[in-house]
Amino acid sequence: DGGITQSPKYLFRKEGQNVTLSCEQNLNHDAMYWYRQDPGQGLRLIYYSQIVNDFQKGDIAEGYSVSREKKESFPLTVTSAQKNPTAFYLCATNFDRGAGGYTFGSGTRLTVV
Amino acid sequence: SQKIEQNSEALNIQEGKTATLTCNYTNYSPAYLQWYRQDPGRGPVFLLLIRENEKEKRKERLKVTFDTTLKQSLFHITASQPADSATYLCAPAHNNNDMRFGAGTRLTVKP
Repeated sequence: DGGITQSPKYLFRKEGQNVTLSCEQNLNHDAMYWYRQDPGQGLRLIYYSQIVNDFQKGDIAEGYSVSREKKESFPLTVTSAQKNPTAFYLCATNFDRGAGGYTFGSGTRLTVV
Repeated sequence: SQKIEQNSEALNIQEGKTATLTCNYTNYSPAYLQWYRQDPGRGPVFLLLIRENEKEKRKERLKVTFDTTLKQSLFHITASQPADSATYLCAPAHNNNDMRFGAGTRLTVKP
């Protein structure tokens, strides 16, 4: 969607396994974000990155890790330390650090069994 | 702690009527507020941004108001259509690193 590719669309993993969600963008945006969405709740910020090789924790970073080795890519790893990993994960980008609308990917639905 | 309330989990209206969605926030003084549309199983899509010094913003059939005294934003869709059925999210922020989203209001427009 809008130059952001999240893959896969659906992902199933066994409890205790780490899993990496992919987010790639061709919008040339500096800022990238990972959100988690659970039913009946707003989007919650996991991690964000304003520039390559730099990223910051959001509100619910525990149990997650990220990297930003390239401007185009911001993968999210859900580790076994995340207590409730089943959720809808959304990646977003933004070109305006001051104020501007986010562009979101189409999301990855992770189910841990 | 900061709290964002979209005080209708679901709103059902008849085609052609105006839909009005409410976003209230507490313990927060955002510099601007954004509205997004989200369809089932998809990522949100940016609709409008309104700044703290703006009272009203319009885009086609959409109108947003922002009252920093009441700590409230209203989102209106005039001449609503079934295609407007979706969940609408509000997101107040100081900057793009502290943007927080409400849980959303699910709008259903019936023909």
